[in-house]
Amino acid sequence: GENVGLHLPTLSVQEGDNSIINCAYSNSASDYFIWYKQESGKGPQFIIDIRSNMDKRQGQRVTVLLNKTVKHLSLQIAATQPGDSAVYFCAENWRGDAGGTSYGKLTFGQGTILTVHP
Amino acid sequence: KAGVTQTPRYLIKTRGQQVTLSCSPISGHRSVSWYQQTPGQGLQFLFEYFSETQRNKGNFPGRFSGRQFSNSRSEMNVSTLELGDSALYLCASSLAGTLQETQYFGPGTRLLVL
Repeated sequence: GENVGLHLPTLSVQEGDNSIINCAYSNSASDYFIWYKQESGKGPQFIIDIRSNMDKRQGQRVTVLLNKTVKHLSLQIAATQPGDSAVYFCAENWRGDAGGTSYGKLTFGQGTILTVHP
Repeated sequence: KAGVTQTPRYLIKTRGQQVTLSCSPISGHRSVSWYQQTPGQGLQFLFEYFSETQRNKGNFPGRFSGRQFSNSRSEMNVSTLELGDSALYLCASSLAGTLQETQYFGPGTRLLVL
């Protein structure tokens, strides 16, 4: 796959377990964060997003937590299913230098490989 | 609503050649961003276009270029291909490419340079 060479972190869980995927971001000026899921041979698929003025957001079976103090983001997946097996990326968008807007640019983390065993 | 489409899906070229990849954004989306995904570097931003203008550019050599048409469709071009250009090229679209706006990705074009 596209990410094998990076020696990505891996997480293996049993079907039905809850999964937690972590991401550390480096830019304290980042305003917006997105989690994407990428299955083999496909483009990244949007899962959930969160703005910097929030610390938690919930979706269907997923929750994103943002800790700006330690610049940490996590994705929690409840009742993980085999179809959740994929590479998960966090991405951040920040305002750019000199207060400008960094148009259309997301900065991605290295990704985490999630494997769900039936 | 149809998603982001990219053509071709697969491409094989030889060193020194050039290649053009195409991206059609989601209807109504005017911002198109391009990314390169490789095993060694992960996902890296190439450039972004809005209203036929490049507004942002990543740290890639000038061999990588792009353009956007009045219907928001975008193309990217890589000239004088090198082996290291082998990658999955992804485009993503959003309404206006501004801060706190979700980008939706296409399936990518896999380029192999021999």
